[in-house]
Amino acid sequence: DTEVTQTPKHLVMGMTNKKSLKCEQHMGHRAMYWYKQKAKKPPELMFVYSYEKLSINESVPSRFSPECPNSSLLNLHLHALQPEDSALYLCASSQPPSGRVAGETPFEQYFGPGTRLTVT
Amino acid sequence: QKEVEQDPGPLSVPEGAIVSLNCTYSNSAFQYFMWYRQYSRKGPELLMYTYSSGNKEDGRFTAQVDKSSKYISLFIRDSQPSDSATYLCAMSAYNNNDMRFGAGTRLTVKP
Repeated sequence: DTEVTQTPKHLVMGMTNKKSLKCEQHMGHRAMYWYKQKAKKPPELMFVYSYEKLSINESVPSRFSPECPNSSLLNLHLHALQPEDSALYLCASSQPPSGRVAGETPFEQYFGPGTRLTVT
Repeated sequence: QKEVEQDPGPLSVPEGAIVSLNCTYSNSAFQYFMWYRQYSRKGPELLMYTYSSGNKEDGRFTAQVDKSSKYISLFIRDSQPSDSATYLCAMSAYNNNDMRFGAGTRLTVKP
């Protein structure tokens, strides 16, 4: 099973709402990622969890709050978003690199289909 | 200057053509170079990766990395309509999870 699932597929929310995006994988991966992708733009890394601990936060505004309750699940809690936050939110997972072997096979990141978020 | 530069296209070719996609980068710490394919309304999927400089071939796809010029390429031989997608180059440094993507090139292969 090489599938990363994301729910919901589509989400429309007002600027005062609180909502959550969910991501799940059962590949035994211990690194999980959130990306934001605007139309016709590349994915931009938001957060990385490695062994259920937040390892990278790319200076994302606090209205986005990630959570990794266990090794299979990743959530993104949304609160007081702005219309410019409308985008496709992609989740990915991979094995984290060991950091011990130069040139080790890089960690393939498996992406989910994304949640298309519209903030009104 | 962006860390990774990629011409967004669009690029349109007839079926059977050889396609050349390219990226340049500025960060000399990058050692892993990937090409992802993204179909409309789907997440990206990894096509090929290369560590450091050199060439790698997989079926109709060939990836090339020239670290001295900070330039990478993906060649698609005998292109098919099913190859129509957006192709994203991506790079990361050794032991680093923070992959940086190029803008993506939208390719259309016409039957």
